Amino acid sequence: QKEVEQNSGPLSVPEGAIASLNCTYSDRGSQSFFWYRQYSGKSPELIMSIYSNGDKEDGRFTAQLNKASQYVSLLIRDSQPSDSATYLCAVTPRGNEKLTFGTGTRLTIIP
Amino acid sequence: DVKVTQSSRYLVKRTGEKVFLECVQDMDHENMFWYRQDPGLGLRLIYFSYDVKMKEKGDIPEGYSVSREKKERFSLILESASTNQTSMYLCASTGFLWNSPLHFGNGTRLTVT
Repeated sequence: QKEVEQNSGPLSVPEGAIASLNCTYSDRGSQSFFWYRQYSGKSPELIMSIYSNGDKEDGRFTAQLNKASQYVSLLIRDSQPSDSATYLCAVTPRGNEKLTFGTGTRLTIIP
Repeated sequence: DVKVTQSSRYLVKRTGEKVFLECVQDMDHENMFWYRQDPGLGLRLIYFSYDVKMKEKGDIPEGYSVSREKKERFSLILESASTNQTSMYLCASTGFLWNSPLHFGNGTRLTVT
């Protein structure tokens, strides 16, 4: 089982709708969770970090963490074409101390 | 803002050449990392360093070595480049806390012919 799993997509969402991206992880003791956005040919950029159960909102982005179910999600409200990118989930497993990345979900916002 | 600078955006080398990829960060970060990214395989850790002159192997160290003589600079070395090392190489850094996010450089697209 991969340590961090994401649906590779592509995920297509109409402009203005909510895009929902999901990520599951295998180490129940994982402590830190991050979402990165990566445009084609560019490097990943951090968009959200979350450390405790619940929701964290930043503008149009909401990260949700459920440690009991071992998943973290990213919601993008009012999706824009500029949100089209690959979204990487990253987790710090317990005892590893290095970020482990999922393979990413490719999101396409359809105008 | 943290700035991580990779010396080359695009690089073309021949098989068997020794290749140096340079990375510099300006935030006095202890920890620096080299990843490669390939379609369908995601980000894979090659080497990381948690202090000057300290290094540890990541998941795919074979064919690579690293050097960290100064805190701000972390170099990736391909001793004898091969075509299967054609990839996007990403350098990243983070502060003392391991649970801090990574800050990435712009990447180096290396092609080995």
